[in-house]
Amino acid sequence: AQTVTQSQPEMSVQEAETVTLSCTYDTSENNYYLFWYKQPPSRQMILVIRQEAYKQQNATENRFSVNFQKAAKSFSLKISDSQLGDTAMYFCAFMKEDTNAGKSTFGDGTTLTVKP
Amino acid sequence: KAGVTQTPRYLIKTRGQQVTLSCSPISGHRSVSWYQQTPGQGLQFLFEYFSETQRNKGNFPGRFSGRQFSNSRSEMNVSTLELGDSALYLCASSRGFPEGKLFFGSGTQLSVL
Repeated sequence: AQTVTQSQPEMSVQEAETVTLSCTYDTSENNYYLFWYKQPPSRQMILVIRQEAYKQQNATENRFSVNFQKAAKSFSLKISDSQLGDTAMYFCAFMKEDTNAGKSTFGDGTTLTVKP
Repeated sequence: KAGVTQTPRYLIKTRGQQVTLSCSPISGHRSVSWYQQTPGQGLQFLFEYFSETQRNKGNFPGRFSGRQFSNSRSEMNVSTLELGDSALYLCASSRGFPEGKLFFGSGTQLSVL
């Protein structure tokens, strides 16, 4: 079974600054996907970024980027130029590469507050 | 393109009752999965349906069941409700691999009194 650990329950950052959220995972699988999801106060989970384990290049989506270290089983999220709208709970998630795409294992989440 | 729609948004039930939650996936998505979110347990996978077949099931008692219809809409049922079933129930739809992305609805907040 896979486990996902987010060691930072809460974090805060000043608007326009950069913040990094940590995530580690444990798996014996070689092929898998990693995701960061955002859950704002509205409760709707939104995909932030996706990384395929076989790709060495770190994924980037506008102000969001990841640092994927496969050997260390680490997958951190960097948010640059933080905005007030980034305030949310962030979840790291793991998904095995097989046909059963609906099953993901989530970490406990990190609550991020962006301060004006 | 419409997103994932979950109904109802809020539900209040009493112990022993049963409840049915509904989820309409994004058009073209054949995979629908359900998650339970609580402050103490976080996000827990309940089950996943693909083309009307349950492909995966999490570690929940048999009181939790679901089904998927031919139009990909899914329902989740919880029988003999317990206080511990109070949670936010999230539905997610997906195209499947290789994309693997989950698209979530806004959830149903269930309170069991």
